[in-house]
Amino acid sequence: RKEVEQDPGPFNVPEGATVAFNCTYSNSASQSFFWYRQDCRKEPKLLMSVYSSGNEDGRFTAQLNRASQYISLLIRDSKLSDSATYLCVVSRARGDKIIFGKGTRLHILP
Amino acid sequence: DAGVIQSPRHEVTEMGQEVTLRCKPISGHNSLFWYRQTMMRGLELLIYFNNNVPIDDSGMPEDRFSAKMPNASFSTLKIQPSEPRDSAVYFCASSRDTLVMEAFFGQGTRLTVV
Repeated sequence: RKEVEQDPGPFNVPEGATVAFNCTYSNSASQSFFWYRQDCRKEPKLLMSVYSSGNEDGRFTAQLNRASQYISLLIRDSKLSDSATYLCVVSRARGDKIIFGKGTRLHILP
Repeated sequence: DAGVIQSPRHEVTEMGQEVTLRCKPISGHNSLFWYRQTMMRGLELLIYFNNNVPIDDSGMPEDRFSAKMPNASFSTLKIQPSEPRDSAVYFCASSRDTLVMEAFFGQGTRLTVV
């Protein structure tokens, strides 16, 4: 089983809709979780960290389910500019390696 | 802050040649990561350093790949000899050794081996 797994998509979603992705991780010792965004031919950039209690940043909501070992990302009122690849990221501890999923491609349709 | 700086941005080389990719991490960051990204395999961790020491190089594909970090402000990834299947975008990232551990990426080196 891969350390971090995501549905590659693509998700084709009309503008204004709500879309959600999940990501599963295999190592129960994982401590830190993130969602990164990568635009075409650009480097990945942090979108948001994922906290145990869940967290929200504007239209974006991230959740962590330790029992089932997955994290999720919800995007409300999607915009054309949300079109990108969303990468799930986990790490075990400080100074430890940071593992990326292969990403989920999202296309917002006008 | 200049961010993570990688050079060159693009490299085209012939099979069998040596390729050296360079990275300058963000000042004050303790961890440095080298990743390779292809359409088929996504973003793969090749090796990472913590306080200039290689911690895990299990992602390095084979002996043709080597990486060094002689000091806190510089790292290299070398491929010798290069092969067409090494063609990919190589990213360097650094992070501060804190609980948050956000990784900041350089703009990448697009390597084409012909």
